[in-house]
Amino acid sequence: GENVEQHPSTLSVQEGDSAVIKCTYSDSASNYFPWYKQELGKRPQLIIDIRSNVGEKKDQRIAVTLNKTAKHFSLHITETQPEDSAVYFCAAGDTGTASKLTFGTGTRLQVTL
Amino acid sequence: SAVISQKPSRDICQRGTSLTIQCQVDSQVTMMFWYRQQPGQSLTLIATANQGSEATYESGFVIDKFPISRPNLTFSTLTVSNMSPEDSSIYLCSVIRLGQAVFGPGTRLTVL
Repeated sequence: GENVEQHPSTLSVQEGDSAVIKCTYSDSASNYFPWYKQELGKRPQLIIDIRSNVGEKKDQRIAVTLNKTAKHFSLHITETQPEDSAVYFCAAGDTGTASKLTFGTGTRLQVTL
Repeated sequence: SAVISQKPSRDICQRGTSLTIQCQVDSQVTMMFWYRQQPGQSLTLIATANQGSEATYESGFVIDKFPISRPNLTFSTLTVSNMSPEDSSIYLCSVIRLGQAVFGPGTRLTVL
């Protein structure tokens, strides 16, 4: 089955700096890669996703890049703000949809003033 | 996005007992998914619930421990049977809406 590794497990940045979280996956059949943000005590919320037919996707301060050859994808957050502090999860799916997602282990991002 | 509700939102249970968690969606969906999030950990898919057929379980999860019902296209239940403290987790249901997985608020289960 699919295995998703995520690094780093914790990340502390100063407000205004950029944050990068990286994930690797094992199954070359995976073709859908979402990123979720989970605040304490709340449900995971999708922040951005990418499918394997594109290499990069951007939404305001958030971007995701995908390297299918190397089987890795990354989340980039620019101009970080305190409200970006949360746990971020990457995931991979192989059906072209969001069914049967395999999640990474999570990254706790702390944005300090 | 999909409106998903779960009941109960949290519960504290004694070991050896069972708890049934309900998930209600605001519109009909083909598949509903049940995930587990152990304390401080990531999400793991337990099973996929399809209306009119048996649920499909992921490796490491069995029907006897986690029986699932799917009586219609907007509702599903997950039962955690014969609970032990290791079952203490958040259980989340999920559906796909516009190609994206949307999660319910979760049920926080503590087993003493």
